[in-house]
Amino acid sequence: NAGVTQTPKFRVLKTGQSMTLLCAQDMNHEYMYWYRQDPGMGLRLIHYSVGEGTTAKGEVPDGYNVSRLKKQNFLLGLESAAPSQTSVYFCASSYRRGTYEQYFGPGTRLTVT
Amino acid sequence: EDQVTQSPEALRLQEGESSSLNCSYTVSGLRGLFWYRQDPGKGPEFLFTLYSAGEEKEKERLKATLTKKESFLHITAPKPEDSATYLCAVPAYGGATNKLIFGTGTLLAVQP
Repeated sequence: NAGVTQTPKFRVLKTGQSMTLLCAQDMNHEYMYWYRQDPGMGLRLIHYSVGEGTTAKGEVPDGYNVSRLKKQNFLLGLESAAPSQTSVYFCASSYRRGTYEQYFGPGTRLTVT
Repeated sequence: EDQVTQSPEALRLQEGESSSLNCSYTVSGLRGLFWYRQDPGKGPEFLFTLYSAGEEKEKERLKATLTKKESFLHITAPKPEDSATYLCAVPAYGGATNKLIFGTGTLLAVQP
């Protein structure tokens, strides 16, 4: 099992450009999450999904959109990138309601200039 | 408001020098406390889950304990390969979403 994978690993964008980050998991997990991690601020939840076709806002959703068309994939989109979105982005998944252990991908380092 | 606080922010140890990391939490109805290890440039890796006060879990040189207000990660005779950031987390109140609240972590450096 590959677990949770993320593509790309690194990306540099110019202000105003758009991009999509892809997260895939092969553990048949129902729940998936997108976090950003910034120095001194820890992991902050951007959006999450409790099942295929459902998404919800987390702590810092502004400037991001997500989609979960297939159970194994969770996409994070930036429509118009801003320097404040420079961060490391992590995807995670958990098995089902009430099982709180989350398993993380390796991360994507995004720089917006 | 649910909250997780970790201390110290950073800890430097000599190889073999045992110590403890602290995770204090405020949450309505604890449904578990989770410890993760994060190496530079990588995602957090799950270590332990503790569910009730008095519970202990061990893995190699690490032992996690839990009280009603805090958890400790004890590191016995650490080696340089134990160097990492250690994160703790608790489920947010209202558990239908499985959301976790993370602390900001303790950066541990073990020098040979």
